[in-house]
Amino acid sequence: LAKTTQPISMDSYEGQEVNITCSHNNIATNDYITWYQQFPSQGPRFIIQGYKTKVTNEVASLFIPADRKSSTLSLPRVSLSDTAVYYCLVGDRNNAGKSTFGDGTTLTVKP
Amino acid sequence: EAGVAQSPRYKIIEKRQSVAFWCNPISGHATLYWYQQILGQGPKLLIQFQNNGVVDDSQLPKDRFSAERLKGVDSTLKIQPAKLEDSAVYLCASSLVQVRLGKNTEAFFGQGTRLTVV
Repeated sequence: LAKTTQPISMDSYEGQEVNITCSHNNIATNDYITWYQQFPSQGPRFIIQGYKTKVTNEVASLFIPADRKSSTLSLPRVSLSDTAVYYCLVGDRNNAGKSTFGDGTTLTVKP
Repeated sequence: EAGVAQSPRYKIIEKRQSVAFWCNPISGHATLYWYQQILGQGPKLLIQFQNNGVVDDSQLPKDRFSAERLKGVDSTLKIQPAKLEDSAVYLCASSLVQVRLGKNTEAFFGQGTRLTVV
């Protein structure tokens, strides 16, 4: 399973755009990149998933360069409620829960 | 759509006692996972079921942990005897087996059971 590396923590202010980058140098051809969000006392929750280029949904964008060795989760105009731990995972999309969680990035949004 | 249900939410036991956690996955999800999340760390996969069969239990401490998924729906994770280092949140997750092309695949997590061993 591909290992991922993320910053341990990040700070931001309300209304700013936040970009969290994840490195996954040994990603396999069949691996997809998935990001989860976790609030205290809750289980992780799916944010976005992609294979290459750019993916956008109603809450985030995911940028994946051509070599796929890294990816960037972009959160537009964050609010205090976006304070959470964000996990980047890589793995077979047909085995969604098998991907390995790292220790994630703790995002703190300040007023 | 109902989510993944887990119980209890909290459990405090003394070391060397036994404890069991219950999980009911989302209806129709054939794959079920149990994770252990120690404070400050990401979740670590303990065991994966496909219907009622074990797919991967390589990280399950089998001398004290056991899990079953009878009838391929509900699942129970047991620890016997518990150690202090077993204090953690135990998360259950489920996912679909076959995913249509173009659809996201994701694991849906329950709220977890927080175990404290004293």
